Amino acid sequence: DADVTQTPRNRITKTGKRIMLECSQTKGHDRMYWYRQDPGLGLRLIYYSFDVKDINKGEISDGYSVSRQAQAKFSLSLESAIPNQTALYFCATGSRGANVLTFGAGSRLTVL
Amino acid sequence: DQQVKQNSPSLSVQEGRISILNCDYTNSMFDYFLWYKKYPAEGPTFLISISSIKDKNEDGRFTVFLNKSAKHLSLHIVPSQPGDSAVYFCAASFYSGTYKYIFGTGTRLKVLA
Repeated sequence: DADVTQTPRNRITKTGKRIMLECSQTKGHDRMYWYRQDPGLGLRLIYYSFDVKDINKGEISDGYSVSRQAQAKFSLSLESAIPNQTALYFCATGSRGANVLTFGAGSRLTVL
Repeated sequence: DQQVKQNSPSLSVQEGRISILNCDYTNSMFDYFLWYKKYPAEGPTFLISISSIKDKNEDGRFTVFLNKSAKHLSLHIVPSQPGDSAVYFCAASFYSGTYKYIFGTGTRLKVLA
């Protein structure tokens, strides 16, 4: 099993729908991140969390919300999806004091 | 404002030759630099890193060079193999309560057999 699991892997939805992307990890890491990848723009940080009670906005948090349900689970929600949120979304984890992130395989979201 | 730039979106190299991937950054606060490799339908995986106190770090066929005065780092792969064909992201980090990471836009490397 993968260390960082993202579901769903692919999702097509319509404008205005609520979407949740889920991430779970078995690394035991305290830190979890959501990134978005767009062609020509690299990976951009949406939200990050240091533990269950800690949530922080990244550089592009508008239109997104997150929930850290447990140390191992971090979900990303789009309350009302719009077409420019079509992208590849990655969850990543990291441990305190370490500089390397472990990424999930990605969730490809298409908003029509 | 792109703080980490990979100006070459793609690179093709013959098998056995050297691949050189470049990355430039603007923020002098960055103190740690990483390279990630990404295959299609997979997440990025960590490849190699370098601290700002060093100018070179080597791991097998992969070497990362850091030129702080030029705010430039490069990844050398030698010899290149077809399995190295992937998208390579450089990332820079600095500590501000926690490690903050800024990723480049990626370079797609194709190693030709």
